[in-house]
Amino acid sequence: GAGVSQSPRYKVAKRGQDVALRCDPISGHVSLFWYQQALGQGPEFLTYFQNEAQLDKSGLPSDRFFAERPEGSVSTLKIQRTQQEDSAVYLCASSLGAPTGTGSNGYTFGSGTRLTVV
Amino acid sequence: AQSVTQLGSHVSVSEGALVLLRCNYSSSVPPYLFWYVQYPNQGLQLLLKYTSAATLVKGINGFEAEFKKSETSFHLTKPSAHMSDAAEYFCAVRGYSSASKIIFGSGTRLSIRP
Repeated sequence: GAGVSQSPRYKVAKRGQDVALRCDPISGHVSLFWYQQALGQGPEFLTYFQNEAQLDKSGLPSDRFFAERPEGSVSTLKIQRTQQEDSAVYLCASSLGAPTGTGSNGYTFGSGTRLTVV
Repeated sequence: AQSVTQLGSHVSVSEGALVLLRCNYSSSVPPYLFWYVQYPNQGLQLLLKYTSAATLVKGINGFEAEFKKSETSFHLTKPSAHMSDAAEYFCAVRGYSSASKIIFGSGTRLSIRP
């Protein structure tokens, strides 16, 4: 597609509910990133995929957070047993190349999913 | 570990005035540096990036930034502010290694007074 698409745009979940957030990266983009942006803060790194391989998940805040990209294109971020502190905007970004040699590249971001846990 | 510090969470300037948003980085070697802009309820858009090719980097919408190694700074400027520049601006850094990811600052909200 022309850009990074994320769905749903908004999600309200009751505390304890499981949620799944979807990211459609730009077609052909090898690298895919998930970030969490709390209100009034900068985006915080969650996890990174190169094709279907999850190469870095150091930013996932707890084992309630799980991400996958089984076919190397669409990715899903799943949050189990949501808590109020999970309320944030979840941003997905993609980049054309693999990290090596593309460190100078910025990412293309989607518009994000705003998750509110009540 | 690499990081960036943005000085001032909120900057307000008059329309037509100079815009200056400050960013300092922490890195043992000159990293890759970026400025992103975020409009309300939207994702981040790349304004410009420093990749060591030139210390003065020009970006979109009339913005530019200068890399100063001696000051470990990468401040964003625009000679004349426009109402449409009102947004949140993020400075970000990325290292050279294949494991590096982009690390963002906490952001500066730019307001433009008529």
